[in-house]
Amino acid sequence: KNQVEQSPQSLIILEGKNCTLQCNYTVSPFSNLRWYKQDTGRGPVSLTIMTFSENTKSNGRYTATLDADTKQSSLHITASQLSDSASYICVGTPGGYNKLIFGAGTRLAVHP
Amino acid sequence: NAGVTQTPKFRVLKTGQSMTLLCAQDMNHEYMYWYRQDPGMGLRLIHYSVGEGTTAKGEVPDGYNVSRLKKQNFLLGLESAAPSQTSVYFCASSQGAGELFFGEGSRLTVL
Repeated sequence: KNQVEQSPQSLIILEGKNCTLQCNYTVSPFSNLRWYKQDTGRGPVSLTIMTFSENTKSNGRYTATLDADTKQSSLHITASQLSDSASYICVGTPGGYNKLIFGAGTRLAVHP
Repeated sequence: NAGVTQTPKFRVLKTGQSMTLLCAQDMNHEYMYWYRQDPGMGLRLIHYSVGEGTTAKGEVPDGYNVSRLKKQNFLLGLESAAPSQTSVYFCASSQGAGELFFGEGSRLTVL
């Protein structure tokens, strides 16, 4: 069964600190792995899309990693800002535009 | 460039009432989708469309209907609303299997 599990469910960090969010995926056949950021009351916004051959991809202070052997991905946020407070959603794509498997998300709160 | 626009943003219905959610995109994308988002769960696909005049069922299609009469619009209808359809609904569009662009969401409460 295709599924995406994220940990932790929620996280609180202080402004300026780094953090890492985890994603375990069981997706077959594997096409790509995506990370989205969803601000409260808003729609998800794409951060990165990684294919099988990519093991690291950065978008500003966000760096996603992909380990195809262990089927794990992580999203590392560097020097967190208050605006990073949001839910971060991991999405596995087993192939096909209509087959995205969404994780439940990690809710991050950055406190001053 | 508005991207993906959903209307209405909020709606309260009584059980058995009907309504339509409208999604409009100005990016000339072929593919459009309707998702629902419930607490503690990932987004789930309701229906999708790969082009004007075509629609297909997603993971949770029961109780919903859709239409794509124009390329830029994708309508989601509830013929007889039930409390289980209380949710936040997101429309998205994409060009092929690429990046999804989401709307701001429509929060529906069914009493």
